[in-house]
Amino acid sequence: AQSVAQPEDQVNVAEGNPLTVKCTYSVSGNPYLFWYVQYPNRGLQFLLKYITGDNLVKGSYGFEAEFNKSQTSFHLKKPSALVSDSALYFCAVRDIDGYALNFGKGTSLLVTP
Amino acid sequence: ETGVTQTPRHLVMGMTNKKSLKCEQHLGHNAMYWYKQSAKKPLELMFVYNFKEQTENNSVPSRFSPECPNSSHLFLHLHTLQPEDSALYLCASSQDGIAANIQYFGAGTRLSVL
Repeated sequence: AQSVAQPEDQVNVAEGNPLTVKCTYSVSGNPYLFWYVQYPNRGLQFLLKYITGDNLVKGSYGFEAEFNKSQTSFHLKKPSALVSDSALYFCAVRDIDGYALNFGKGTSLLVTP
Repeated sequence: ETGVTQTPRHLVMGMTNKKSLKCEQHLGHNAMYWYKQSAKKPLELMFVYNFKEQTENNSVPSRFSPECPNSSHLFLHLHTLQPEDSALYLCASSQDGIAANIQYFGAGTRLSVL
């Protein structure tokens, strides 16, 4: 089965510093990988996806993610964190049998002033 | 706004009640999903509808009954729920047929079962 793992429950970063939220995947075949963000009392919002092509994917709000096949990772990054980036971040992989997504448990990002 | 609207936003119900959650999407998508989000757990996919046909049912208890009358509307009928069913229920939609579909989520219904 296609799955992702987010090893960190919480990541703390000071505003202005670079941030990384980690995700590793386990798939059969080529992975379709996604990052979503959830702000308090809101649904999930799409940030970016990797299908094929360049290993560095750029997405919304200045976020980017690096696909690393040898390490089976798809870490989310941002060069300079904002307090408003504080939210819950989910990594996901598309299910091989259909169009549903299998999500990780989420990582809470806290950016302090 | 994501184009996916869920009502109600909050629901408190007793274990013997019957209630329904509603989801409506204004994006012209043809696939719709129900997810359950519990604290400290991955999102659990419950049901998938594709062109109004149910294509996935992830071993969800029969006390949850989905209904998809058309490609724009999705319901989740609830009856005789248990306290452990308290969670945030999220609806999503996507355009089927595209290799890497992006799912658009509603804000969710926060359900509390007493």
